[in-house]
Amino acid sequence: NAGVTQTPKFRVLKTGQSMTLLCAQDMNHEYMYWYRQDPGMGLRLIHYSVGEGTTAKGEVPDGYNVSRLKKQNFLLGLESAAPSQTSVYFCASTRSGPAEQFFGPGTRLTVL
Amino acid sequence: TQLLEQSPQFLSIQEGENLTVYCNSSSVFSSLQWYRQEPGEGPVLLVTVVTGGEVKKLKRLTFQFGDARKDSSLHITAAQPGDTGLYLCAGSSGNTPLVFGKGTRLSVIA
Repeated sequence: NAGVTQTPKFRVLKTGQSMTLLCAQDMNHEYMYWYRQDPGMGLRLIHYSVGEGTTAKGEVPDGYNVSRLKKQNFLLGLESAAPSQTSVYFCASTRSGPAEQFFGPGTRLTVL
Repeated sequence: TQLLEQSPQFLSIQEGENLTVYCNSSSVFSSLQWYRQEPGEGPVLLVTVVTGGEVKKLKRLTFQFGDARKDSSLHITAAQPGDTGLYLCAGSSGNTPLVFGKGTRLSVIA
């Protein structure tokens, strides 16, 4: 039982490049989330999903897209990376909205 | 927009001291969660409080939910170096996504 896993753990991009971050959970959770964490800013919600095939915008969605084609996977895409997207990205899942969130180990992304 | 304000932002104390961190809002939450995050890892849930006035204890940690369900506190007795980390509170209101505070970064020096 791996819980929540994230791929990759580290990545360096040049401005304008694209990439996809993968989040996978094996707990059969309905809800999945993508956050970014920056110094002094706490966790900010980018996008979330309340079930397979659904997505919704969070607090800071601009510059990101997501897809939830399978219940266990939640993908976060950056189409044209910008230095402002340098951050640590966390994925989380939960069985219902107000329940405990289980977090992945994070992806550290640097955009040069 | 619901906001959670945490204070203090940073706290550095000696081993054995007591401390309290606060999580305040002008909004009412149906439940409030506390997480601890260690360097290089994701946050891990410590406790969930759901009833106004509720007090929960987890070894040397005591959590309280305000009577009006707008605020919460975390008290640590006799802090140890293993308590070092980022403490985050997060509020829930219905089925909307959790709202996280910006965190209190605690450093306990041996």
